[in-house]
Amino acid sequence: NAGVTQTPKFQVLKTGQSMTLQCAQDMNHEYMSWYRQDPGMGLRLIHYSVGAGITDQGEVPNGYNVSRSTTEDFPLRLLSAAPSQTSVYFCASSYGQGNTIYFGEGSWLTVV
Amino acid sequence: AQKVTQAQTEISVVEKEDVTLDCVYETRDTTYYLFWYKQPPSGELVFLIRRNSFDEQNEISGRYSWNFQKSTSSFNFTITASQVVDSAVYFCALSEAYVMKTSYDKVIFGPGTSLSVIP
Repeated sequence: NAGVTQTPKFQVLKTGQSMTLQCAQDMNHEYMSWYRQDPGMGLRLIHYSVGAGITDQGEVPNGYNVSRSTTEDFPLRLLSAAPSQTSVYFCASSYGQGNTIYFGEGSWLTVV
Repeated sequence: AQKVTQAQTEISVVEKEDVTLDCVYETRDTTYYLFWYKQPPSGELVFLIRRNSFDEQNEISGRYSWNFQKSTSSFNFTITASQVVDSAVYFCALSEAYVMKTSYDKVIFGPGTSLSVIP
């Protein structure tokens, strides 16, 4: 009963480094997304996908890249890490419009 | 424009007290969905409830109850006889229904209410 699995849980990066946050879901959900959570700002949408091969930008896409080659996986790439990207990242999935969104456990990222 | 307001930033109650978390939303759509999520100190986001705009019935689940009032655009959450395990940040969220399948139902989250239940 894995649900949404994201890795790593904790990561420290140096400014300028790149990395990929992995996300996988086993619920056959079409919709997947990445959010970031910052103090006092709730959750903000970074990128989303409505199916394999289809991705689009959310509210705060700059500095991030995504791809969706399979239904199950939706990795988030930080191209050149900046301190402003220090945040908690959540991967999420759902069956579609208006359906319940299920979240991964979160990834705590610090950029120094 | 879509907006979710949770005016209570932090609430502290003594164990066994009842507490209500407020959520006010704004939307121009007639079809939309409302959610509540719980984020305990461990950090994960736990789904609590989903409600569509056509169902105004209040819901009760154990010590939790939700009051949906379209007339005041509110979807308030009440915890009865609070317990220490209820200490968490609670998020209210709004999703508008789009007609096109390729359009993502952009879920807007409120800023959250931090609830502390003191033993």
